[in-house]
Amino acid sequence: EIVMTQSPATLSVSPGERATLSCRASQSVGRNLAWYQQKSGQAPRLVISGASTRATGIPARFSGSGSETEFTLTISGLQSEDFGVYYCQQYNKWPTLSFGGGTKVEIK
Amino acid sequence: QVQLVESGGGVVQPGRSVRLTCEASGFTFSMYGMHWVRQAPGQGLEWVAGISYDSTEKYYGESVKGRFTISRDSSKNTVFLKMNSLRVEDVAVYYCAKESDNYSGQSPFDHWGQGTLVAVSS
Repeated sequence: EIVMTQSPATLSVSPGERATLSCRASQSVGRNLAWYQQKSGQAPRLVISGASTRATGIPARFSGSGSETEFTLTISGLQSEDFGVYYCQQYNKWPTLSFGGGTKVEIK
Repeated sequence: QVQLVESGGGVVQPGRSVRLTCEASGFTFSMYGMHWVRQAPGQGLEWVAGISYDSTEKYYGESVKGRFTISRDSSKNTVFLKMNSLRVEDVAVYYCAKESDNYSGQSPFDHWGQGTLVAVSS
């Protein structure tokens, strides 16, 4: 099983600032890495796939990078609607999928 | 637009069974793999089960293997999750999710339902 580890657990950011979230895989997942955003009481929403491709409707302030075992999600110029919990997911070792534990992005 | 609507959740006694249903619309259901993902109260996401577009492949997370069964009926655009021998640790919101790539079997989930809560309690 591939274990996905996210850091930090909580990130306090002021509106307009940059948020940098990390995700590490216990073994290589190539670029088969997705990021999801989840707001309180809502279903997750796909933000990034293929490590760096923004999903439909996701603004350009969201960017993803990385490969193999180290990945980063950057949100530049954080806006109020960006606060929530972000999860990474590997889909390389099909059919066994796994999510990270999440990073909560909160208002500073 | 794509819609996924789950139903079937509720309060169930330990050891009993329940079947969740996910009704899909707004896309060609028979072309996409489908999955169930759960989230225990205050916890993160856990992948539960997945089924290929043509039902030939079915996969399960370790914690539910042997107890849960995923299936689909493409004539009704519906995917099911039969949950047997329920345990207290199965308490969660269960989400239905659609793969982003058709015929893929290796893609993230681009649409999710709103979830249905399964509570296991005596």
